[in-house]
Amino acid sequence: EVQLVESGGGLVQPGRSLKLSCLASGFTFSNYGMNWIRQAPGKGLEWVASISSSSSYIYYADTVKGRFTISRDNAKNTLYLQMTSLRSEDTALYYCARHTIGALFDYWGQGVMVTVSS
Amino acid sequence: EIVLTQSPTTMTASPGEKVTITCRASSSVSYMHWYQQKPGASPKPWIYETSKLASGVPDRFSGSGSGTSYSLTINNMEAEDAATYYCQQWNYPSYTFGAGTKLELK
Repeated sequence: EVQLVESGGGLVQPGRSLKLSCLASGFTFSNYGMNWIRQAPGKGLEWVASISSSSSYIYYADTVKGRFTISRDNAKNTLYLQMTSLRSEDTALYYCARHTIGALFDYWGQGVMVTVSS
Repeated sequence: EIVLTQSPTTMTASPGEKVTITCRASSSVSYMHWYQQKPGASPKPWIYETSKLASGVPDRFSGSGSGTSYSLTINNMEAEDAATYYCQQWNYPSYTFGAGTKLELK
């Protein structure tokens, strides 16, 4: 069974940093591209960042480019999101999701909440 | 970046009613994916590559479209179909989602 379990969220002050993790199991992690997608309270889905299976290709939404860094450790089956210079508008539930060759997000984690507030 | 515009934003439907949700892209895309999300739950893939039903999706759901116009249709609305539906596409170098359509049971 595919499982994606996010961790590392919490309350952080504006301008500070936070690092999210997503532990994957139930599939060969190193064969799949992975993503972070977020959802602000009561709002829709926003794709944040994507990383290919071997980390060769990395893409970011314009809203986080230069502040967030996506990475992965295939030996540990873990995806990361390093978030710096956090803003109130980054407050959201952050999901880890796997994507297929057809660009479908076929498996999602349960999400981890990040709250940016003083 | 391609913008996806969903309509309507919210709607209500009675049991047995036919429902159509539309997603329009600002430029032509090859196909569209759809997700269903219920309150407090993660999104689930629902329809992929425009018209293919994800595992476990009832066959009263269907998807169609091409170019810049896509739709998700429910024949014979059921209570369990009440949810928010999102369309999504990939166009290098970014993914985008529609703003969502909240479907409620009348």
